[in-house]
Amino acid sequence: EAQVTQNPRYLITVTGKKLTVTCSQNMNHEYMSWYRQDPGLGLRQIYYSMNVEVTDKGDVPEGYKVSRKEKRNFPLILESPSPNQTSLYFCASSLSTGNKETQYFGPGTRLLVL
Amino acid sequence: GNSVTQMEGPVTLSEEAFLTINCTYTATGYPSLFWYVQYPGEGLQLLLKATKADDKGSNKGFEATYRKETTSFHLEKGSVQVSDSAVYFCALSWGGRRALTFGSGTRLQVQP
Repeated sequence: EAQVTQNPRYLITVTGKKLTVTCSQNMNHEYMSWYRQDPGLGLRQIYYSMNVEVTDKGDVPEGYKVSRKEKRNFPLILESPSPNQTSLYFCASSLSTGNKETQYFGPGTRLLVL
Repeated sequence: GNSVTQMEGPVTLSEEAFLTINCTYTATGYPSLFWYVQYPGEGLQLLLKATKADDKGSNKGFEATYRKETTSFHLEKGSVQVSDSAVYFCALSWGGRRALTFGSGTRLQVQP
């Protein structure tokens, strides 16, 4: 089944404890992206990747890191989480980098930073 | 910069009522426009899209027409069902980042 998977789905952590949220797609998609969803703000892009080893900042990159060593994986790293990073995170991918391409979303990771 | 504005919710309708959710956008150039739906506890799913002016996207009885002159992409359905209860997001895609710019979402509640 073609899908985008994320792990973990739920995570409670404390301020300053490094964490990684994994994202994997099995559709051989070139483009991958991370978004965060906050009430009243819709979804905002954190980082994106056009292809392996090609990543760049989105609208709200502060406090996050990413890597794209393999085409299928795009982990989101929070080196020192803070309470303002409590949010719902979505990974997305699309076949190519064109504007007309549909982005496919993972199920989401709900993060609480205490 | 790019932006998307959606009508605020929640929108509460009775089953079989007509649905309109308004969406307007601001963008340079010619963006692609999307409607995504989020069911409770799930990720976002593409509902429909339109990639150029006057295109009509349609799926599962929902429709939206890309109106360049009014910069709008309103979502409509002739007869809603309880199973349509969800949050609906209007979004556009434009520019080098290929980022989706989302509206704030509109919650639809359909009562039997």
